[in-house]
Amino acid sequence: DQQVKQNSPSLSVQEGRISILNCDYTNSMFDYFLWYKKYPAEGPTFLISISSIKDKNEDGRFTVFLNKSAKHLSLHIVPSQPGDSAVYFCAASSWLVGSSNTGKLIFGQGTTLQVKP
Amino acid sequence: DVKVTQSSRYLVKRTGEKVFLECVQDMDHENMFWYRQDPGLGLRLIYFSYDVKMKEKGDIPEGYSVSREKKERFSLILESASTNQTSMYLCASSSHGGGSYEQYFGPGTRLTVT
Repeated sequence: DQQVKQNSPSLSVQEGRISILNCDYTNSMFDYFLWYKKYPAEGPTFLISISSIKDKNEDGRFTVFLNKSAKHLSLHIVPSQPGDSAVYFCAASSWLVGSSNTGKLIFGQGTTLQVKP
Repeated sequence: DVKVTQSSRYLVKRTGEKVFLECVQDMDHENMFWYRQDPGLGLRLIYFSYDVKMKEKGDIPEGYSVSREKKERFSLILESASTNQTSMYLCASSSHGGGSYEQYFGPGTRLTVT
């Protein structure tokens, strides 16, 4: 049972335009969400996060929106740059996931973003 | 900066061999995790540890075991490697509590079992 889903395996955008990556979740107990970026042959790196008490968090060109009623979050990248081309994973967590204090994350399948020059 | 290192970037092993993947973190994190990444399947949790000598199964523990004898080191063991264990293996660490669930990842080990 996939609790965190990224239904678009890939996305292609033109440099300078907006990239929107989507993520859906099923467990209403999730209270913290993260986005990671992964280049080939490297480990994922943390990008941005949002707590369930917020509906938006912004960091430079990256903004994450959370719609709790729809159990949906999205990552907006504006403007997109060729260096943003990577695989993006969303992840979710809750103190109720696994043992307390372990901070387990449930990851989506990933979306490959290609930004064309 | 948090640093998570993995013993090998690339490994090629034969079916039936015992394989050890080592992970070391330098930030005194309590939690450590082992994932595998496969195309279309995302990151799947194999095992995690929230303290020395403590371990819990993740979503796909079959065929794997782990060891955490020291806080900074978490080892993944493939008792008898099989071709379906060919994958990218990623280690991560994080700290307890504080409201942040951010995990820090190592560079990964690309394991090929022939």
